[in-house]
Amino acid sequence: DVKVTQSSRYLVKRTGEKVFLECVQDMDHENMFWYRQDPGLGLRLIYFSYDVKMKEKGDIPEGYSVSREKKERFSLILESASTNQTSMYLCASSGQGLWGKNIQYFGAGTRLSVL
Amino acid sequence: AQSVTQLDSQVPVFEEAPVELRCNYSSSVSVYLFWYVQYPNQGLQLLLKYLSGSTLVKGINGFEAEFNKSQTSFHLRKPSVHISDTAEYFCAVSEGNQGGKLIFGQGTELSVKP
Repeated sequence: DVKVTQSSRYLVKRTGEKVFLECVQDMDHENMFWYRQDPGLGLRLIYFSYDVKMKEKGDIPEGYSVSREKKERFSLILESASTNQTSMYLCASSGQGLWGKNIQYFGAGTRLSVL
Repeated sequence: AQSVTQLDSQVPVFEEAPVELRCNYSSSVSVYLFWYVQYPNQGLQLLLKYLSGSTLVKGINGFEAEFNKSQTSFHLRKPSVHISDTAEYFCAVSEGNQGGKLIFGQGTELSVKP
């Protein structure tokens, strides 16, 4: 089974702190994604990556950056956390080919509270 | 631009009753369609997918969905729900040429009552 592991289930941070959310997948997937999930808004794509050191902006990249130094690891960075970034963050990965790239596997999520 | 609309934010239903969760999408090109389920305090899990072939697709846990191109819909159905089906359900669309990027609907909370 594909496993996508997010390093923390719950995080509490203060406004202005730099926050790192880590995600690791064990299936040698090329594609990795970061979403935020808010009630009534569904999942919104923040950033994604098709390969090591590559990144693409999603629909709501403002206030975030990402890092992908190794294929299995995709980090989401909040340079200066703000209260409006309080949310559930979900990481996902997918493989190659018609079937592979279109099926995303998700981690359990990190619930971030910024005070 | 593609978008996904889930027409019901909450669906309460009694155990063993049938249920339909509605999903409509907009896209100018061929699409791939998905339903994901999120149980409380968990990540999303793929329920079923339509990539090609038969428009009626069957997924896990007795769920099925029908792709209707003319109505741009992909409604999810189950003939008899269980308490354990209580979860949030997300419809998603991919245009395939976007490297597997998914656009999600707002989610539907299914609440199954005894």
